[in-house]
Amino acid sequence: EVKLVESGGGLVLPGASLKLSCIVSGFTFSDYWMRWVRQAPGKGLEFIGEIKPDGSKTNYAPSMKGRFTISRDNAKNTLYLQMSSVRSEDTATYYCARSWDYWGQGVMVTVSS
Amino acid sequence: DIQMTQSPSSLPASLGDRVTITCRASQDIGNYLRWFQQKPGKSPRLMIYGATNLAAGVPSRFSGSRSGSDYSLTISSLESEDMADYYCLQSKESPFTFGSGTKLEIK
Repeated sequence: EVKLVESGGGLVLPGASLKLSCIVSGFTFSDYWMRWVRQAPGKGLEFIGEIKPDGSKTNYAPSMKGRFTISRDNAKNTLYLQMSSVRSEDTATYYCARSWDYWGQGVMVTVSS
Repeated sequence: DIQMTQSPSSLPASLGDRVTITCRASQDIGNYLRWFQQKPGKSPRLMIYGATNLAAGVPSRFSGSRSGSDYSLTISSLESEDMADYYCLQSKESPFTFGSGTKLEIK
């Protein structure tokens, strides 16, 4: 069974950094592009970025470039999203996705003082 | 970046209705178009890929079509479990972009 489980969310102060993780199982992690998508409360889906199976290439939405960094550890079957200088607008549920067919349950990040 | 214009934003409908949601791409995306269903508090679920292909486990009342740069998701006979938000996604090139969503609700 394919599973993706995000963790690392919570309440963070504006300007802080946060690293989300997505641990996967049930498939060969190193074979797949992986993506991060977020959804602000009551809003639509927003692509954050993606990473190549071997981790050698990343692509980001223009609005995410510079503050968000995607990485992976294929030995640990884990995808990461490093968020820095977070703002209130980053308050959202963050999803990891395998290509586009399987998604995690999401993890909530709230940026507030 | 490729823009996806989705309509309508809200679609009141009755059980048994045939409903259609549309996305228009600002550039050529070929058949690199996916449709997702999302229910409250849940993750998105892939419904259609390659513009017209039904994802695994999706009921046959769902279908996808393309006419030029317009892509449609049709539900042939609405059931209560279909009430959800629907999003299109262009997966032709990064940055990938979603439509703004359609809320399908009971009239």
